[in-house]
Amino acid sequence: KAGVTQTPRYLIKTRGQQVTLSCSPISGHRSVSWYQQTPGQGLQFLFEYFSETQRNKGNFPGRFSGRQFSNSRSEMNVSTLELGDSALYLCASSPSVGAQNEQYFGPGTRLTVT
Amino acid sequence: DQQVKQNSPSLSVQEGRISILNCDYTNSMFDYFLWYKKYPAEGPTFLISISSIKDKNEDGRFTVFLNKSAKHLSLHIVPSQPGDSAVYFCAASAQSSYDKVIFGPGTSLSVIP
Repeated sequence: KAGVTQTPRYLIKTRGQQVTLSCSPISGHRSVSWYQQTPGQGLQFLFEYFSETQRNKGNFPGRFSGRQFSNSRSEMNVSTLELGDSALYLCASSPSVGAQNEQYFGPGTRLTVT
Repeated sequence: DQQVKQNSPSLSVQEGRISILNCDYTNSMFDYFLWYKKYPAEGPTFLISISSIKDKNEDGRFTVFLNKSAKHLSLHIVPSQPGDSAVYFCAASAQSSYDKVIFGPGTSLSVIP
C-alpha cells in the first residue's frame, strides 16, 4: 500500500507570497491532519479534515487554511508568507477522526521563506 | 505555553544500554499519550501509546511508564540499538478533544555503537 505523499518536497518563497502544499493520504484513509514542525517547538497541530469538512483547528492565524477534496486529498494554503512560516509541514492520514495511533505521516514539505 | 514538554533536546547512549526519554505535561485533561519516532527526511512513525487507566505499556524493547500524579511519562528502550537513533516525540490528547494531538518538541537520541 502506498504511503502518504506530499508535494512539493522543498519550496522556497519570499515574504508576502502565498503557497499551496498538497497531501495525498493512504488509500482508504479519510482523515488528513496537517502539522507544522519547527526547531524547539516540535509538531504543532494546524487542522484536521474528514470527509471534506474541517473537524478541528489549531491555534494558527487565518493566513493558514486548508481544504479536502472528495478523493480525500488535501491542500494547505498559507497566504502573505512571513519569515516565521519557514518550517517542515507534515501531513498525516488516518482511517477515521481521532485514530491517533493510526496516524501515518508523509515525509513533509520543507518551506523556506526568504 | 507548551502543554507537552521534553526538556532534554538530545541524549546519547551506548549500544546495549537503556535509553530513557522523558516527557512532562501540564494539562490534567490529557488521558492518552503516544510516542513517535522520526528519522531525518521522513515523517514521524507511531511507536507506542498508553492510556491514563494504565501506568505501564510494553511492546518488545519499548516500554512507556505513566505517572499521572507527577504528570510525567517516560519511554524506556532496552537494549538500545544504533537503529534507534532518531528524534522521539511525546504526544498527548484529551478525550474531550480526541482528535487534537499535542506534540512535545522532541528529543534526539543517538545510540553509539
